[in-house]
Amino acid sequence: GESVGLHLPTLSVQEGDNSIINCAYSNSASDYFIWYKQESGKGPQFIIDIRSNMDKRQGQRVTVLLNKTVKHLSLQIAATQPGDSAVYFCAENAGGTSYGKLTFGQGTILTVHP
Amino acid sequence: DGGITQSPKYLFRKEGQNVTLSCEQNLNHDAMYWYRQDPGQGLRLIYYSQIVNDFQKGDIAEGYSVSREKKESFPLTVTSAQKNPTAFYLCASSVTGKYRENIQYFGAGTRLSVL
Repeated sequence: GESVGLHLPTLSVQEGDNSIINCAYSNSASDYFIWYKQESGKGPQFIIDIRSNMDKRQGQRVTVLLNKTVKHLSLQIAATQPGDSAVYFCAENAGGTSYGKLTFGQGTILTVHP
Repeated sequence: DGGITQSPKYLFRKEGQNVTLSCEQNLNHDAMYWYRQDPGQGLRLIYYSQIVNDFQKGDIAEGYSVSREKKESFPLTVTSAQKNPTAFYLCASSVTGKYRENIQYFGAGTRLSVL
């Protein structure tokens, strides 16, 4: 039978296409968000972050959009390359007394076909 | 070469045995964290430390212990009380744990398996 947690959302794109990876969060108190990339067998790498007083932030080939009304975060990757293939996680910081504590989403598998 | 070093890369535990995973950072970061990652899942926080000689339980601390005697080091012991220890363990650090805007940087991980 199926095991909970083994079926991550997946996104398959062709090289050169733009990719959009989505993340829903549930804690309305969250005010800081980070996107990480994790390649197989490695630790997560920081991609980009955004504060809750912003709705968009751009980096090199990446853009993060934040919609606080519907508690939704997205990561856009322009001109996706095979090296972008990885699992992408969003993480949120709800603050409170555990300022440094991040809560991670389940992740999305991105596969880029040459 | 600055960064976070985890060792060993692979570790095997026998029944009833305690094992210790090493995490060292030379980034001069105050805060350090341990996460557990199971296949196809996100990261779950085991323990974190905002400053030397202080640490707090995360969401899944049962069966684990830590110490923070030095700023650079945050070893994790997986005790025999942890009945399902097979997982990928990740250590992270951040400049400080005292603010919400707090990028965590990760090591390469240790994969623990039970014999």
